[in-house]
Amino acid sequence: SQKIEQNSEALNIQEGKTATLTCNYTNYSPAYLQWYRQDPGRGPVFLLLIRENEKEKRKERLKVTFDTTLKQSLFHITASQPADSATYLCAPPPYSGAGSYQLTFGKGTKLSVIP
Amino acid sequence: NAGVTQTPKFRVLKTGQSMTLLCAQDMNHEYMYWYRQDPGMGLRLIHYSVGEGTTAKGEVPDGYNVSRLKKQNFLLGLESAAPSQTSVYFCASTQRANVLTFGAGSRLTVL
Repeated sequence: SQKIEQNSEALNIQEGKTATLTCNYTNYSPAYLQWYRQDPGRGPVFLLLIRENEKEKRKERLKVTFDTTLKQSLFHITASQPADSATYLCAPPPYSGAGSYQLTFGKGTKLSVIP
Repeated sequence: NAGVTQTPKFRVLKTGQSMTLLCAQDMNHEYMYWYRQDPGMGLRLIHYSVGEGTTAKGEVPDGYNVSRLKKQNFLLGLESAAPSQTSVYFCASTQRANVLTFGAGSRLTVL
């Protein structure tokens, strides 16, 4: 079955370093992947969407890559700050088998940036 | 501000009671989703709707019912609440079934 996995449940890094989060997919080829940020007690907020024909996309200190050979998307935060501490979620397109439009998420990676 | 509004924000129920969570969006989005989020489980899809008058089951639909009588509203009902339904519920909407706008969440406790 189609599967999205975020390898790390938690990641701790030092302030100023680059954080790299991983999203792997198996048994299908998504046309795009999305990344969201969720702060405690709040709903997720959309950050970036990268399509399969885009190798890289950037937004300020954020960078996302999409490697269809490795079946993987990497999410980078450069010059990380304590304010970047949050849970980051990866989401594929809705599964459209048999007219279904389920939109599901990976379990997320909780990033802690240590001052 | 435009967005997704969930009511109520907090609710405590006794086992067996019923209640309805309301999700309202003012962005004219076609698709709406209800998720629950539990520690260590991530977001799990309960039900969703691809347009007014339509609903469909997600990953964990048992014990819940939904209705989408108006395009802007998506209601999630619990007919007979159980302690296993203690969770934080999030509603989300999107126009093209990709980028979601989420509500602030509704925290439900079932005793």
